[in-house]
Amino acid sequence: AQRVTQPEKLLSVFKGAPVELKCNYSYSGSPELFWYVQYSRQRLQLLLRHISRESIKGFTADLNKGETSFHLKKPFAQEEDSAMYYCALSGRGQAGTALIFGKGTTLSVSS
Amino acid sequence: KAGVTQTPRYLIKTRGQQVTLSCSPISGHRSVSWYQQTPGQGLQFLFEYFSETQRNKGNFPGRFSGRQFSNSRSEMNVSTLELGDSALYLCASSLRQGSGTEAFFGQGTRLTVV
Repeated sequence: AQRVTQPEKLLSVFKGAPVELKCNYSYSGSPELFWYVQYSRQRLQLLLRHISRESIKGFTADLNKGETSFHLKKPFAQEEDSAMYYCALSGRGQAGTALIFGKGTTLSVSS
Repeated sequence: KAGVTQTPRYLIKTRGQQVTLSCSPISGHRSVSWYQQTPGQGLQFLFEYFSETQRNKGNFPGRFSGRQFSNSRSEMNVSTLELGDSALYLCASSLRQGSGTEAFFGQGTRLTVV
């Protein structure tokens, strides 16, 4: 079954602390992995995707096929990082853009 | 450029009624997808349209349907509403089809079924 699991509903950290948002997936083929973010009163938006291998707003994510994970990391959290984060996947080569989402993790960064 | 626009933003309907939600994609985007978001199930894929054809469908009953017009605008319809259909319905548009393509989301339509 195709599934994305985000084990933590809420992650609370202090400003300047490292952050790791966990994401594990189950997919029979080759997946494309994404992290989407939703800031307060804003719409859901793409943060980063694994094929780009970018660092966006200090966040990085590495696809680990052996552990079927795509954890999101940032070395030093900022208060403006507080948001809801969703891990998502689609099937590489699939015809459409349908995304399978995890249930999301709320990141709360306090000073 | 303007983002994805969904109308209406809020709706209250009675059980058994039907409802139509509208989505205008970003100009030039030809792929439109719909998602249902609930506290219990999270974000779930409903269906995707590209060039007026449904290309993908999620695991929802036939009461949920949609269509896309020649200008890429899309509508989704839910017939015989049930209390469990209360949710935030999100529309997303993409420049083209294919995995890895960034999806741009609208603000959503909050549907409440009473």
